[in-house]
Amino acid sequence: DQQVKQNSPSLSVQEGRISILNCDYTNSMFDYFLWYKKYPAEGPTFLISISSIKDKNEDGRFTVFLNKSAKHLSLHIVPSQPGDSAVYFCAATIPEYGNKLVFGAGTILRVKS
Amino acid sequence: ETGVTQSPTHLIKTRGQQVTLRCSSQSGHNTVSWYQQALGQGPQFIFQYYREEENGRGNFPPRFSGLQFPNYSSELNVNALELDDSALYLCASSGPTDNEQFFGPGTRLTVL
Repeated sequence: DQQVKQNSPSLSVQEGRISILNCDYTNSMFDYFLWYKKYPAEGPTFLISISSIKDKNEDGRFTVFLNKSAKHLSLHIVPSQPGDSAVYFCAATIPEYGNKLVFGAGTILRVKS
Repeated sequence: ETGVTQSPTHLIKTRGQQVTLRCSSQSGHNTVSWYQQALGQGPQFIFQYYREEENGRGNFPPRFSGLQFPNYSSELNVNALELDDSALYLCASSGPTDNEQFFGPGTRLTVL
């Protein structure tokens, strides 16, 4: 039972353009969502998060949008840089139940220069 | 501030053996979670420890067990290793009021 889904295994974007990574979830009890970035041979690095009481959160080049009615969130990276090339994981949690993170399968982003 | 560290980096075992993986949490963090990441998949939650007590468990059999020590470091033990246990094992720590978890570099376990 995959509660968090990232349906695009990979995405290729030109440097300077926008990267949009998508994530869908099925459990309506999730109320906190996170994006992690992972380089080979490293652990996931926390990128940005959003609470279910918001529909947008920005941090520099990274913006996360949440559509609760559609159970969908997206990560926008503008402008994309070659150093952004990595695997991006979407994760969801129910904080009052102990902060267990439920991850999607990841999307490989390649930013071409 | 020291981040999350894990040891060893790589490990090769044979079926039926037992393994212990170690994790030191980030300074100020009292909660440690363990995840298994198989090839091509996202990390899967194994269990979480808070103040030396198990605080939630994922869908893993009892041969996966853990400990947390008074300094908040943690161990993951896996008995009777199976080929499917080959994966990257990730440890993550978080503070008492954090929703975000901070990951170590992982231990790559290969079971032959």
